Amino acid sequence: SAVISQKPSRDICQRGTSLTIQCQVDSQVTMMFWYRQQPGQSLTLIATANQGSEATYESGFVIDKFPISRPNLTFSTLTVSNMSPEDSSIYLCSVATASTDTQYFGPGTRLTVL
Amino acid sequence: GENVEQHPSTLSVQEGDSAVIKCTYSDSASNYFPWYKQELGKGPQLIIDIRSNVGEKKDQRIAVTLNKTAKHFSLHITETQPEDSAVYFCAAIGGGTSYGKLTFGQGTILTVHP
Repeated sequence: SAVISQKPSRDICQRGTSLTIQCQVDSQVTMMFWYRQQPGQSLTLIATANQGSEATYESGFVIDKFPISRPNLTFSTLTVSNMSPEDSSIYLCSVATASTDTQYFGPGTRLTVL
Repeated sequence: GENVEQHPSTLSVQEGDSAVIKCTYSDSASNYFPWYKQELGKGPQLIIDIRSNVGEKKDQRIAVTLNKTAKHFSLHITETQPEDSAVYFCAAIGGGTSYGKLTFGQGTILTVHP
């Protein structure tokens, strides 16, 4: 399985600011995804990070709020913009290869917005 | 889109007992069903998965069964141990344009008492 790291592991931010979360995988993967896990809740897909093109967002999530970059096959970033306390969540990246549906998750970034 | 329902939300068992968690899905085109274990402060860890062309899969103390007709699948853990205590999530990947997109159940908090 792929080894996935995320930075930062946690952060406390002030409302109105932005935070960029990095996801790095140790091998080239076809697909990278970003999920949100609100406190005590399940995981919800935010978007699919596409290499070299704009991310594909799920209903309820927009690029202005969650801009995503994916410059190559092993790295992606998610920015949480103009944060409010409602953005306090765990943000997780996951990866998969085209040959299988199997997805592996990173350790998550625990964000608290004051 | 796909909808996944998971029951029970909490499950408490004695060490050595079996635990069963059940999920139903809505999209008859769904073809991949993973189970994840999430320990406190960590990202979800894939523990077992099953594809739609298989009815049952087993890995040591963990097994998953799939009933495509009824659109439900279950996780079975035998001889439970305290280290099995965690939150368990079922998920499904829908058909068509849903490729790679996991839809998660609500999660089950499993507590194994020594």
